[in-house]
Amino acid sequence: AQSVTQLGSHVSVSEGALVLLRCNYSSSVPPYLFWYVQYPNQGLQLLLKYTSAATLVKGINGFEAEFKKSETSFHLTKPSAHMSDAAEYFCAVSDGNFNKFYFGSGTKLNVKP
Amino acid sequence: EAQVTQNPRYLITVTGKKLTVTCSQNMNHEYMSWYRQDPGLGLRQIYYSMNVEVTDKGDVPEGYKVSRKEKRNFPLILESPSPNQTSLYFCASSLFQEKGQFFGPGTRLTVL
Repeated sequence: AQSVTQLGSHVSVSEGALVLLRCNYSSSVPPYLFWYVQYPNQGLQLLLKYTSAATLVKGINGFEAEFKKSETSFHLTKPSAHMSDAAEYFCAVSDGNFNKFYFGSGTKLNVKP
Repeated sequence: EAQVTQNPRYLITVTGKKLTVTCSQNMNHEYMSWYRQDPGLGLRQIYYSMNVEVTDKGDVPEGYKVSRKEKRNFPLILESPSPNQTSLYFCASSLFQEKGQFFGPGTRLTVL
C-alpha cells in the first residue's frame, strides 16, 4: 500500500514569507500525487496534482509543488504567504488505478501578521 | 452549481442505532468515495465506487456499508454504530480521478 508522510503538523510563517509544506511518499509504482486545502468547517479543495507530466506543478492561489523522484518528495511551496492561506493542507497519493487514495495526516498553516 | 451534498451535517446518536448518511452529486461523476477524518490521522478511505453497482473497500471499511443504486447517490450505512466511529465524514466524487476529487462539506457524527 502507498503511504504519505507530512513532516510538521503545525507550521507558522509571517505574512509575506515563504511557505514550505513537506510531503514524502512511499510507492512501488509511479505515484500520482495531490495537494488539498481545508479551510475551517469546510470540505477539501484541490490545490494541485502531479500525474507524471511536468515535475513542477502549478496550482491555484499561487501554490506550486515539485515532484522529486530521487527524494520521494512532493513539497508544497508559495513564495509569499497571505493571511487567507491559513488552513490545513493535505498531501495525498493514489494507487496506479486511481481507485484508492491515501492521505497524509495534514499540516496546519498559521500566518502571522 | 456543481456540488456534493451530504446529510445530515451533524448527528449525535447512540451505540447500536442504525444510521445512514446520504451523499449526492450533481456533476454526473462516475467515481464516488467516502472518507473519515480523525485528528492526527488525516483522511482515511472507507469505501469507493467506480460506477453504479460497483463498490469496493478502502482502507478502513469495517463497520460500514455502502450502496450505489443510482449514479448521483452514494449513501454510507452504519448498521450498528460504535463510539470508535465518532468522526468527521466526507463524501467525494470525480469524473476522472486523476484530475482530483470534489468533496462535500462533511458530516460530524458522534456515537455515544
